Amino acid sequence: RKEVEQDPGPFNVPEGATVAFNCTYSNSASQSFFWYRQDCRKEPKLLMSVYSSGNEDGRFTAQLNRASQYISLLIRDSKLSDSATYLCVVNMEYGNKLVFGAGTILRVKS
Amino acid sequence: DTAVSQTPKYLVTQMGNDKSIKCEQNLGHDTMYWYKQDSKKFLKIMFSYNNKELIINETVPNRFSPKSPDKAHLNLHINSLELGDSAVYFCASSRGRNLYGYTFGSGTRLTVV
Repeated sequence: RKEVEQDPGPFNVPEGATVAFNCTYSNSASQSFFWYRQDCRKEPKLLMSVYSSGNEDGRFTAQLNRASQYISLLIRDSKLSDSATYLCVVNMEYGNKLVFGAGTILRVKS
Repeated sequence: DTAVSQTPKYLVTQMGNDKSIKCEQNLGHDTMYWYKQDSKKFLKIMFSYNNKELIINETVPNRFSPKSPDKAHLNLHINSLELGDSAVYFCASSRGRNLYGYTFGSGTRLTVV
């Protein structure tokens, strides 16, 4: 089993749609969780951290379910500029390193 | 000002050659990393240094040798390049083990022909 698994997509959605991405992780002792965004031929950039209580940043909402080892990202009112690859990222407790999922591709179309 | 800078941005070279990629950060971070992103876009850690000390060394062929002359620099030297080494290599840095402050460089696209 991969350490971090995501649905690769692509998700093709119209502008204004709500879209949700899911991610599962294998190590129950993992402590920190993040969503990163990567544009084509660019470096990954932190989108938001994911907290146990769930957190929101504008149109973006992240949720964590430790019991199910599951993380989600919800994007409301999708914009064309949201088109990118979204990477689920987990800090594995046994090493101070970030482990990246393979990414979910989002394409928002007008 | 560029926070984490890598050179070169593009590198095309023949099989069997030896090449180096350089990384420098001006954020005052003391932990630096090398990641490899292959053609399937999977981003995987290779090495990490904290204050010039190697702290993470994943299962990477020993043709790859990182060097950290000081905490602001982490270079990657690759011997006897192979076709499978073609990928994008990202340098990153963070303050200590603070994974919330992770910053990536813009990447070095290596093509081995």
